[in-house]
Order: sequence, then structure tokens, then C-alpha cells
Amino acid sequence: QVQLVQSGAEMKKPGASVKVSCKASGYTFTSYGMHWVRQAPGQRPEWMGWINTGKGNTKYAPMFQGRVTFTTDPSAGVVYLEHSGLTSEDTAVFYCVRMRGSYVLDSWGQGTLVTVSS
Amino acid sequence: DVQLTQTPSTLSASVGDRVTITCRASQSINTWLAWYQQRPGKAPKLLISEASILESGVPSRFRGSGSGTEFTLTISSLQPDDFATYYCHNHNDYWTFGQGTKVEVK
Repeated sequence: QVQLVQSGAEMKKPGASVKVSCKASGYTFTSYGMHWVRQAPGQRPEWMGWINTGKGNTKYAPMFQGRVTFTTDPSAGVVYLEHSGLTSEDTAVFYCVRMRGSYVLDSWGQGTLVTVSS
Repeated sequence: DVQLTQTPSTLSASVGDRVTITCRASQSINTWLAWYQQRPGKAPKLLISEASILESGVPSRFRGSGSGTEFTLTISSLQPDDFATYYCHNHNDYWTFGQGTKVEVK
């Protein structure tokens, strides 16, 4: 079955960077795009962007452009989110989400909590 | 960007009730709309895609309808497992989410 397993919780100071991994299994990795979604405490999910897992092409939501970078390692079936210039407002759970046909986000990772605090 | 507005924000209901949640889009999105259920501390779970296609394994009491700018999620007979927050979601181009509807115990 499809599984997306993310790296563990992180605690960072303002201005720092964080790198979150998402390992996929149970399907052909490069046949599906991967999205990243942020959810701050008590808030709606926010779409951050997505990556073509085979070619590495990316598309970022405007509010995250320049602050986040998505990368892919097809040989390992892993995608990464790197987020720089963290502020306390970036405290959130970050999810990787698989995209299937018709652009549907169907399978979600368990989420990675990133806490930004001085 | 497409904005999605859900109503109501909170809904108080009892087991067995019929529940309806509405999602309005700021411009036509055809049927590029999904519904998710989220329980506290868990990732969202896909219930319905393309406005009305029930995901495999999702109970048939969940029904989605609509097209263009107005969509609804109906739960025909609320069950204890259904008390959760529901989000509508535009799954095309910029993948926006509604603000959520919390279904709570009356």
C-alpha cells in the first residue's frame, strides 16, 4: 500500500533553516508528483508547491517562493523540503502529499512538526 | 487565485442527523473540487474528488455534488466517527483549501 513516511519533529531558532524528508513506498515513485502542504496550529492547510519526482521540475506558491526548495532523489524514493529564514510564524506541521491523476492529492505523509522559537 | 469559502464554520449535530456543508469558489473551477476529513493530530483524509467521486473505502453516507462555483458535502446519517473538521479543496493549478467546517457534538 502507498506509504509516505516523513522525518521527525524539529525545533529551530528564528533565522535558521530546516530540511524535511518524505520517503515513499508502495508505488512507482516517479509516476506521481509530490506536493508539500503547511498547516499552522488551528489553521487551514496551505499549499506550498509541488515537484515532478522524476524530472525535478518545481512549482511554488507565491507566498513560499524564494523561501523553500523542493528536491527529489528518485533512486531512493525520497523528496525533500528545505525551508530557510524561519520565523515563529512558520511553526506548523508540514505534509508531503502524493498527486495522482486529475491533480488529486490522495495520500498524505504523517506530518512533520517544525517549531520555531528563540 | 481561487478563494474557497465554506459555510458554516462550525456545525453542531447529533448521531443520525443529515449534515450539509457548502463550499463556494470565487470563480468557476468546473468540478476540480475535493473534500477532506481531518481528525485532531492527524493528516487530512481524502473523501471525495472531482466534486462527486467517492474515494475507495469511504462510506456511502458521504456524498459530494456541485460544479462551477457551488459545491456541497452531505453526510446522510452522521456517525460517531464523523465528528471532525472538513475541508474543501481546489485540486487544479493553485491547490487552495477552504477554511474548514468543524462538525461537533450537539
